[in-house]
Amino acid sequence: QKEVEQNSGPLSVPEGAIASLNCTYSDRGSQSFFWYRQYSGKSPELIMSIYSNGDKEDGRFTAQLNKASQYVSLLIRDSQPSDSATYLCAVGGNMLTFGGGTRLMVKP
Amino acid sequence: KAGVTQTPRYLIKTRGQQVTLSCSPISGHRSVSWYQQTPGQGLQFLFEYFSETQRNKGNFPGRFSGRQFSNSRSEMNVSTLELGDSALYLCASSLSTLTKAFFGQGTRLTVV
Repeated sequence: QKEVEQNSGPLSVPEGAIASLNCTYSDRGSQSFFWYRQYSGKSPELIMSIYSNGDKEDGRFTAQLNKASQYVSLLIRDSQPSDSATYLCAVGGNMLTFGGGTRLMVKP
Repeated sequence: KAGVTQTPRYLIKTRGQQVTLSCSPISGHRSVSWYQQTPGQGLQFLFEYFSETQRNKGNFPGRFSGRQFSNSRSEMNVSTLELGDSALYLCASSLSTLTKAFFGQGTRLTVV
């Protein structure tokens, strides 16, 4: 059973701070890794993808991948109240497997 | 480029009825996956189709079925609806399971 684990939260950070979200996965054969953001009542929105070890930056978002340790993380710099949402980690191999999501709350 | 389109957006059905949901993927995408999302649960994988073939199936009863057409559009069917089937049903399309998957707006099914 391929598993993707996330702390459900809520993770509460003040506005302007860095939010750090983490995810671990069980399948060493996984090849692609994604972060989705989901607002309440809406569908998931893809915000980051990463395929190789290291960091990938896109605006205020940085995804980090460590295949040896089987974890992937998402950093959100200068967090804004509009970033308050549930963040889903997804791992791709022969199918895409999602974690349960971490709820992020950014307080003004 | 048009996104993933799911129809209908909202549906209310009675226990025992059946329902068919539709998903039109992004043009060029051949992989379509279906997920069920309920309050307190994560995204639960239903099945994935690629070029009209079901490649993967989640742990759902046989009442849940799907198919994909030659134009990559996909449908899922739920027969003999139960109250517990009330959920947001999401469709995602991608070039393959290794590439970015994009979700439609979902169909919110309520079973009464």
